[in-house]
Amino acid sequence: DQQVKQNSPSLSVQEGRISILNCDYTNSMFDYFLWYKKYPAEGPTFLISISSIKDKNEDGRFTVFLNKSAKHLSLHIVPSQPGDSAVYFCAASDGGSRLTFGEGTQLTVNP
Amino acid sequence: ETGVTQSPTHLIKTRGQQVTLRCSSQSGHNTVSWYQQALGQGPQFIFQYYREEENGRGNFPPRFSGLQFPNYSSELNVNALELDDSALYLCASRAGTGGPYEQYFGPGTRLTVT
Repeated sequence: DQQVKQNSPSLSVQEGRISILNCDYTNSMFDYFLWYKKYPAEGPTFLISISSIKDKNEDGRFTVFLNKSAKHLSLHIVPSQPGDSAVYFCAASDGGSRLTFGEGTQLTVNP
Repeated sequence: ETGVTQSPTHLIKTRGQQVTLRCSSQSGHNTVSWYQQALGQGPQFIFQYYREEENGRGNFPPRFSGLQFPNYSSELNVNALELDDSALYLCASRAGTGGPYEQYFGPGTRLTVT
């Protein structure tokens, strides 16, 4: 039972354009969501998070949107840079420290 | 700045053997979690330790066990290795318990079971 799903295994965008990564979840008990970025041979790095009491959180070029009724969240990166090329994981928590991850989306930003 | 280290980097074992993976938490972090990341999948929660006690476990059999030491370093032990145990094993540390706030991940140990 995949409680967190990222339906796009890969995404390719041009430098300077917007990257939109999507994530869906099924567990209504999830109340905190995080995005992690992972480069090869490195562990996942925390990027941005959002609590279920909000619908938007912004940090520089990164914005996460949460639609609770649709059980959907998205990560917007604008403008995209070649250094953003990595695997992005969506993760969710039901209040504890245990994270449930999606399968990841490989983002490629072309110069 | 993250300071979580893991050893070894890579490991090859034979089915039926036992393996021990090690993690050194970031300074000041007393909570460590272990995750298994199979190829093409996201990390899956194995268990968490807080102050040397296991305080959360995912859907993994008892042959996956762990230890946390007073200096907050940690071990993951897997007995009777199976081919499906081949994966990247990640540890993550953070301060305290409670929320799922930023956990700092190590680079992982790549385990191959043949």
